[in-house]
Amino acid sequence: AQSVAQPEDQVNVAEGNPLTVKCTYSVSGNPYLFWYVQYPNRGLQFLLKYITGDNLVKGSYGFEAEFNKSQTSFHLKKPSALVSDSALYFCAVRVSTGTASKLTFGTGTRLQVTL
Amino acid sequence: DSGVTQTPKHLITATGQRVTLRCSPRSGDLSVYWYQQSLDQGLQFLIQYYNGEERAKGNILERFSAQQFPDLHSELNLSSLELGDSALYFCASSVLRGAGGPDTQYFGPGTRLTVL
Repeated sequence: AQSVAQPEDQVNVAEGNPLTVKCTYSVSGNPYLFWYVQYPNRGLQFLLKYITGDNLVKGSYGFEAEFNKSQTSFHLKKPSALVSDSALYFCAVRVSTGTASKLTFGTGTRLQVTL
Repeated sequence: DSGVTQTPKHLITATGQRVTLRCSPRSGDLSVYWYQQSLDQGLQFLIQYYNGEERAKGNILERFSAQQFPDLHSELNLSSLELGDSALYFCASSVLRGAGGPDTQYFGPGTRLTVL
């Protein structure tokens, strides 16, 4: 079965420092991987996705993610964290057959950025 | 703003009742997805509709049903509600450009259901 794992429930970072939120995947075939962010009492906002091509994917709000096939990882990164980045981050893998499609999400990682 | 709208934002009801959640997809999106987010289950896929037809089914209870109408809006019906059905219900939509085509799902703000 296709799945993603987020090994950290919470990541704490000081503002201005680089941040990494980890995600590993288990899929058969080519992985389509996504990162979403959820702010309190809000829906999920799309950050970025990996389909194919360049292993470094750039997304919204200065975030990027590095796809590593040998390590089956898709870690989310940002060079300099902001307090406003504090939120819940979800990694997801798209599972599809023809026009049947769904996202399978990880358990989420809470990012806390402090001054 | 993702362009996906959901109503109502909040819903409080009693056990045994039935509710209907509504979703309007982004303009041009043919596919609608429903997800449930709860503290114990996390984010779980419920069901997908594509251009009016059911395409994929996840961990959706038999007490739950959904449909997508000709104008592409969708409704999720939850019946015989139990305390454990309290959760945030999200709708998402995507273009879904045919088999294998990569698509991004855009999520609505969700409906928070509280069953008392």
